[in-house]
Amino acid sequence: DAGVIQSPRHEVTEMGQEVTLRCKPISGHDYLFWYRQTMMRGLELLIYFNNNVPIDDSGMPEDRFSAKMPNASFSTLKIQPSEPRDSAVYFCASSLAEGQETQYFGPGTRLLVL
Amino acid sequence: GQNIDQPTEMTATEGAIVQINCTYQTSGFNGLFWYQQHAGEAPTFLSYNVLDGLEEKGRFSSFLSRSKGYSYLLLKELQMKDSASYLCATMNNAGNMLTFGGGTRLMVKP
Repeated sequence: DAGVIQSPRHEVTEMGQEVTLRCKPISGHDYLFWYRQTMMRGLELLIYFNNNVPIDDSGMPEDRFSAKMPNASFSTLKIQPSEPRDSAVYFCASSLAEGQETQYFGPGTRLLVL
Repeated sequence: GQNIDQPTEMTATEGAIVQINCTYQTSGFNGLFWYQQHAGEAPTFLSYNVLDGLEEKGRFSSFLSRSKGYSYLLLKELQMKDSASYLCATMNNAGNMLTFGGGTRLMVKP
């Protein structure tokens, strides 16, 4: 399996622009997670899905952030409008099931908002 | 909520042994994970403990004490490639969410 796939790998945009990050989980995995990593706050869970349904979005910073999972093989995280404080590395991860199942991380998207 | 503490940085010598500690306070607990993250890369799974005791996997071992809210990752025969950040993470009671510590940046010197 190719593992979790994310695109783009790098994104540079200007404040106020819309940003869309994409993720393809490992085939057969029921859970998909979106994380954000910064030096100040470390790795934070933003939202996760189970069987394409959002379960917990309490980590989403504010209404400017939204996430969707239209099918089992694709998810998006959208920021509109983007702000410089959104600059971070955004990781997508997937796991087979809940419990002791390992989460496998994608390579991440490095976002810089100018 | 969940609170996880681990040292920010550690330095060790190639060939030596290093222990990275992690303490946690959590309202619900269903196991503790250790992940390794090289600079500019994604976290990768190292170990999982849910019962008290030591789990050994090659040069890496992980220990858990649930009563003390304490875990450590032990790295033996350190190699230069072990220079990375090591993230401690607790699993919630429902078993569907991980909370990560800030990570320990380990630098291995020749």
